[in-house]
Amino acid sequence: AQSVTQPDIHITVSEGASLELRCNYSYGATPYLFWYVQSPGQGLQLLLKYFSGDTLVQGIKGFEAEFKRSQSSFNLRKPSVHWSDAAEYFCAHPNNFNKFYFGSGTKLNVKP
Amino acid sequence: NAGVTQTPKFQVLKTGQSMTLQCAQDMNHNSMYWYRQDPGMGLRLIYYSASEGTTDKGEVPNGYNVSRLNKREFSLRLESAAPSQTSVYFCASRLAGGGNEQFFGPGTRLTVL
Repeated sequence: AQSVTQPDIHITVSEGASLELRCNYSYGATPYLFWYVQSPGQGLQLLLKYFSGDTLVQGIKGFEAEFKRSQSSFNLRKPSVHWSDAAEYFCAHPNNFNKFYFGSGTKLNVKP
Repeated sequence: NAGVTQTPKFQVLKTGQSMTLQCAQDMNHNSMYWYRQDPGMGLRLIYYSASEGTTDKGEVPNGYNVSRLNKREFSLRLESAAPSQTSVYFCASRLAGGGNEQFFGPGTRLTVL
C-alpha cells in the first residue's frame, strides 16, 4: 500500500545548528513529493515540492530537500536553524487518483 | 484573494448534535479535501472531491457526509456528533495534476462533549 513514513516524531536542535528531517515513501513510479510546515494553531504551508528534474529542490525559508530514488527518500534540510523554525513538518505525496498521503509529522523544537 | 476559508474557527457541540463545517476557495481549483488532525496521527483524509459533482471516501469517512455545492464550496456535515470526532478539521484545495500542491485553510477546532 502507498504510504509516507516520517521516522522521527520529535527532534530538538540548537539554534544555528543544521537540521535534517527524514521522509520515506513507498510508491513504484516517480513520485511527486511535498514538504509542508505547520506553526502552532495554523494551517499547513508549502515549503517545497519535487516533481521532476533536479533532485535537489530549494524552498522557502532557506529549506531544501533531496530526492533519492534508490533510498525512497525525500529528506528536508536546513544549514542553520532559527528559533522561528520551531513547528511541525509534514511530508506528503499524491497518488494517481488525486488523493494525498501525509506522514505523521515531525515536531521540531529549537533550543536557544 | 482569500485562498481557502473555513467557518467556524471554533465550535463546541454536545454528543448527538449536528453541524456543518463550511469551506470555500477562490482559486478556481477543481479538487477539494477534508482532513482531520489528531495529536500524533498526522492528517487523515475524511472525504475528497476530485472535481465538481464527484465525492469519494478517504481513510476515515464514518460519521461524516460531504457536499460539493459548486466549484468553490465543499462542506462537511456531522449528523450526530460523538466525542471521538473532537479534532481539528482542515479543508484543502488544489488544481488537479500530479505536481500541484494543496492549499490549506486555517482549520476548525471542534470539541464534542
